[in-house]
Amino acid sequence: QQQVKQSPQSLIVQKGGISIINCAYENTAFDYFPWYQQFPGKGPALLIAIRPDVSEKKEGRFTISFNKSAKQFSLHIMDSQPGDSATYFCAARRYNNDMRFGAGTRLTVKP
Amino acid sequence: GAGVSQTPSNKVTEKGKYVELRCDPISGHTALYWYRQSLGQGPEFLIYFQGTGAADDSGLPNDRFFAVRPEGSVSTLKIQRTERGDSAMYLCASSLNLAGEQFFGPGTRLTVL
Repeated sequence: QQQVKQSPQSLIVQKGGISIINCAYENTAFDYFPWYQQFPGKGPALLIAIRPDVSEKKEGRFTISFNKSAKQFSLHIMDSQPGDSATYFCAARRYNNDMRFGAGTRLTVKP
Repeated sequence: GAGVSQTPSNKVTEKGKYVELRCDPISGHTALYWYRQSLGQGPEFLIYFQGTGAADDSGLPNDRFFAVRPEGSVSTLKIQRTERGDSAMYLCASSLNLAGEQFFGPGTRLTVL
């Protein structure tokens, strides 16, 4: 059922560094691309989302870059902090339909 | 206001038993989704409701799984004749409408012994 491929599976970054997580999709009918953050024992929480009519969206330290022609999008976390240590999921959704998630990236930010 | 709540938070059952997992969506949210998340994996779509009706149940793995939302609010995911492979975190999410942001509950961790 995986229609969204996410990499890397795990990522270790030093405090203050940039964390980059990549996702690729096949279905051109997807029109909404969110990123979720999940802490152990909790449900996923929306971090930031983008629609394919823009190439970049920034909210605070979090930026999504979107490449429609390549069918790829990525999450950049600037000035990464230990509190950002969590599992991150990219997802994609067709209009009025269910979400398809990537397999997740476990991010560890070392102090 | 209150977020999505799910009960129980943990459920341990024996193989072959029947279980019910409950989801209380955010008040006023018309769309409700069920996902299953295995360890180390992303959530996998099971079924979603718009109001009382199941709009898409194509993600249900087999006929042992069934979900209802009789009054368009609370939903129950029902699993018959549980198998060890059903062990996972079951997540519920709701959104204001089908195009809206999905808010997830904390999940129910199901363990089938």
